[in-house]
Amino acid sequence: QQQVKQSPQSLIVQKGGISIINCAYENTAFDYFPWYQQFPGKGPALLIAIRPDVSEKKEGRFTISFNKSAKQFSLHIMDSQPGDSATYFCAASGLAGNMLTFGGGTRLMVKP
Amino acid sequence: DTAVSQTPKYLVTQMGNDKSIKCEQNLGHDTMYWYKQDSKKFLKIMFSYNNKELIINETVPNRFSPKSPDKAHLNLHINSLELGDSAVYFCASSQLGRGGGKLFFGSGTQLSVL
Repeated sequence: QQQVKQSPQSLIVQKGGISIINCAYENTAFDYFPWYQQFPGKGPALLIAIRPDVSEKKEGRFTISFNKSAKQFSLHIMDSQPGDSATYFCAASGLAGNMLTFGGGTRLMVKP
Repeated sequence: DTAVSQTPKYLVTQMGNDKSIKCEQNLGHDTMYWYKQDSKKFLKIMFSYNNKELIINETVPNRFSPKSPDKAHLNLHINSLELGDSAVYFCASSQLGRGGGKLFFGSGTQLSVL
């Protein structure tokens, strides 16, 4: 049972465009929603995270939008750059905090 | 200084062999993990140790045995390797008590079972 569903599986965006990746979760006990970025041959690295008490969090060109009632959250990458080409994972965890459940990943390619 | 280091980076072996992957973190974290990433990039937690004690053991064949000699190390031993074990294995660490602690991942061990 996949508790965090991520879409799309792959995404191609032109340089300067907006990349949008969506995630939906089922477990209402989840209270921490991070996004991880993974480059080929590397481990995932935390990009940005949000808790459900806010609806949006922005760090530079990266923004998380969070809709608690719909149990959905999304990552927006503004002014996408070729260097943003990577696999992005959404994730969620509950109060215990020790078990992140990952979405299936989105391979983003930003074309120059 | 690498925060979470795992060795080896690549591991190619025959079916039926036994192999180990080592992991060390120098972040002072109290919790360490093993994740498996399959060919479709799906990340799934295998084990979690907090202060050397096993706290998460997902549905993983008992051929996989984690060992934590101290809270800075978490090794993974795999007996009787099978073709389906081929994947990238990631070690990670975090500091609990912060509600969904930030995970720091190692760079992975690509295991190929022939």
